Parts: sequence; structure tokens; C-alpha cells
Amino acid sequence: EPEVTQTPSHQVTQMGQEVILRCVPISNHLYFYWYRQILGQKVEFLVSFYNNEISEKSEIFDDQFSVERPDGSNFTLKIRSTKLEDSAMYFCASSGGGARAKNIQYFGAGTRLSVL
Amino acid sequence: AQSVSQHNHHVILSEAASLELGCNYSYGGTVNLFWYVQYPGQHLQLLLKYFSGDPLVKGIKGFEAEFIKSKFSFNLRKPSVQWSDTAEYFCAVTPNTGNQFYFGTGTSLTVIP
Repeated sequence: EPEVTQTPSHQVTQMGQEVILRCVPISNHLYFYWYRQILGQKVEFLVSFYNNEISEKSEIFDDQFSVERPDGSNFTLKIRSTKLEDSAMYFCASSGGGARAKNIQYFGAGTRLSVL
Repeated sequence: AQSVSQHNHHVILSEAASLELGCNYSYGGTVNLFWYVQYPGQHLQLLLKYFSGDPLVKGIKGFEAEFIKSKFSFNLRKPSVQWSDTAEYFCAVTPNTGNQFYFGTGTSLTVIP
């Protein structure tokens, strides 16, 4: 079964450093997403991406965050200057085209980001 | 704003017991409803989904859920749990007009052999 893969599984960084979290969505999917889950809290939507541009973003997704699809397979989340409160599990998801397919999101295993 | 509530944060059951996990959402329009499961160390996996039609939906591994529109609920059920059902369960809602998921806080299920 096709999977969404995320690398690395755990990223440790110093406060103020830039990090890039990487995701390889399912190959024929058209919609891509990032979510995060702070320890003990709910999974929160960050951003969705379609047709090479952001289609929706939440209040969390401020200027420190950016997303990119640099080639035909990768989908990245960049945090420019990490803060302690960015420590969380970050999930990538993708979904197909079509009215219903786009609503079925497939998730990766997540990247745990620890900001020290 | 849309929100999803899962009433049970941690549930402990013995094997063969019946399971019901509550999920309520707040949104006035048409929604699509999902239950995801996350086994320890693994990614979120889709258990079942509801788009329209029969409000009782069956998913994988013997799980089912019932959409009750009047109660804004989508409770997950399984008649007889197994030790392998130990996992975190997330209810999620997406409005029909968008594709952003709104998740509940999750319910941790521990099944004792």
C-alpha cells in the first residue's frame, strides 16, 4: 500500500535555527498538508497546498513557516527561526483529486521536532 | 469556529469488552467525518469515513461508527476489543466546502489481555 514518508523521524535543533522537515507524499496525490501536534494536545492544521500554491493556512502558520514542493516528489516545511514552542510532532498528509478523494487524507508517521 | 470533542481521554478495557468512543463536532454545514487510529510508533491510519448515505459506516478491523446528525455525533464502536486495538484514536471532521481537517484531542485505548 502506498505510504506518505517523512524524514527525519526526530529532529533536534537549537532555538533560532532553521529546520526543514521533509515529506514524500503518495505519488499520484494532488493535495498536500502539514499538521502539528504539541505533546498532550490535539492535532492542529497548519497548511494545505495544491497546484503549487498554498490553498489554506491556519493562524499558526505565520511568517516563520513556509512550504515548498521543490520537485515532483518532495513536499517540505521550513521553519526559519525555531522557537521553543515549535517543539511538536509534525505530520505530513496527502490526498488525491476528485471531490471525495481529496477529503481522504493519508498521513505520514511524523517528525518529532525538539527545540532546545 | 469548528471544533471536535472527544469525551474520553483514556479508556482501559479488558479483551472481549465492548467499546464506544464519543465524538461530537460543532459545525453548521455539511461535513465529512473520519476516525483515525495511531498505533504506537506508527502513522495515523484511516479506520473509517462518512461522506453521505447510510449513517452507520463500517471500517477496518471490525470497527463501525454511527453518524447522528441531530446530535452532531460520530461515535466509534467495536463489539469486542482485542489487545492489538491498543492505540490512540482520533476523530476528525472536514467541512464539505474545504479540506482542512479538524481533529479531536484523541482517546488513548489500552486493552488488557
